[in-house]
Amino acid sequence: TQLLEQSPQFLSIQEGENLTVYCNSSSVFSSLQWYRQEPGEGPVLLVTVVTGGEVKKLKRLTFQFGDARKDSSLHITAAQPGDTGLYLCRGSTLGRLYFGRGTQLTVWP
Amino acid sequence: DAGVIQSPRHEVTEMGQEVTLRCKPISGHDYLFWYRQTMMRGLELLIYFNNNVPIDDSGMPEDRFSAKMPNASFSTLKIQPSEPRDSAVYFCASSFAGRDTGELFFGEGSRLTVL
Repeated sequence: TQLLEQSPQFLSIQEGENLTVYCNSSSVFSSLQWYRQEPGEGPVLLVTVVTGGEVKKLKRLTFQFGDARKDSSLHITAAQPGDTGLYLCRGSTLGRLYFGRGTQLTVWP
Repeated sequence: DAGVIQSPRHEVTEMGQEVTLRCKPISGHDYLFWYRQTMMRGLELLIYFNNNVPIDDSGMPEDRFSAKMPNASFSTLKIQPSEPRDSAVYFCASSFAGRDTGELFFGEGSRLTVL
């Protein structure tokens, strides 16, 4: 059972475009994290959100935690080739920890 | 500062052989996680330790898999006997600021191929 559903699974865009990826669940999560993974490496933390409705910004990246704490989104403004990678969400619910399957983002120059 | 160190980086073995993967967490971190990553199933939590004690091993696929953490600076994941379906990248990660909200620091992974 995949408690964290990420969409889209794949996204291929041109440099300069904006994009949003999603992490959704039917369960309430006490906290949620976003990681980015590049080929041949382990995931690296981008942000942690813990409060429903919380919005955090990291340069061109904007993260939002849904009011009901069942969903989250990651918006990238003016994407760059360096943003290419696998974006993963991770959350805790019902006493257990889960990763989503990820969104593979490719940004072409 | 050294990050999480995993060895070996690559392992190719034949079905039925024993495989041992090793991990050195970041000094001072009290949580250690073992994950397996495949294209089909994504990142799966196998087991995690808190202060060297196994807390949740419900993700360990079957009795062929075992993990130990004899001290705060070392952990092993053993597969015996190995099967082709165990082929995956195995990651070790450590954290210090809580199980749920602490930042996971991942190693570079051990890519296992079982022929």
